Amino acid sequence: AQTVTQSQPEMSVQEAETVTLSCTYDTSESDYYLFWYKQPPSRQMILVIRQEAYKQQNATENRFSVNFQKAAKSFSLKISDSQLGDAAMYFCAYNGVTKDMRFGAGTRLTVKP
Amino acid sequence: GAVVSQHPSRVICKSGTSVKIECRSLDFQATTMFWYRQFPKKSLMLMATSNEGSKATYEQGVEKDKFLINHASLTLSTLTVTSAHPEDSSFYICSATPGLITSQYFGPGTRLLVL
Repeated sequence: AQTVTQSQPEMSVQEAETVTLSCTYDTSESDYYLFWYKQPPSRQMILVIRQEAYKQQNATENRFSVNFQKAAKSFSLKISDSQLGDAAMYFCAYNGVTKDMRFGAGTRLTVKP
Repeated sequence: GAVVSQHPSRVICKSGTSVKIECRSLDFQATTMFWYRQFPKKSLMLMATSNEGSKATYEQGVEKDKFLINHASLTLSTLTVTSAHPEDSSFYICSATPGLITSQYFGPGTRLLVL
């Protein structure tokens, strides 16, 4: 079974600084997708960024980028120029052949003004 | 685009009653819908996967007779918590995908409190 591990329960960053959230996963599949979702206090899950495993190029969405290391099964999220609105729970997720999504335990990000 | 709604957003019920939660994809056809449960400060746990017109596939440990899932159309799935008990109190989230391996779009969630 696929597992997703987020080893950082909490992270803190100063406003305008950069922070990296870690995620590792375990799978025997060769074709899959990886995601980072944000869950603010409203609890609405918001897609931040996604990466297709077959693509070598790291995905980027404005201030959000990933470092996808397929061989190492690592998928970290970098947030640049952090803003107060970035404060939330961040979940790393895996989606493989079965289409059901497996989530990591989450990392709570605090942004200090 | 890709909006998923859930209704109700919050429900309080008495122990022993049944509660139905609706999940709708508003601007796309969802071949597959998923139901998750989230405890406070915890991650999302997949409860079941439902495909339109077929029986839902439940995760291990999830009672299918207690959590009834119906996916009657390509835009609607329902989760019915039967004979609810206080331990069923939780945050329930649905998601929908238009097909193949792609992003899931999440509903805003339903907070269930069983007294």
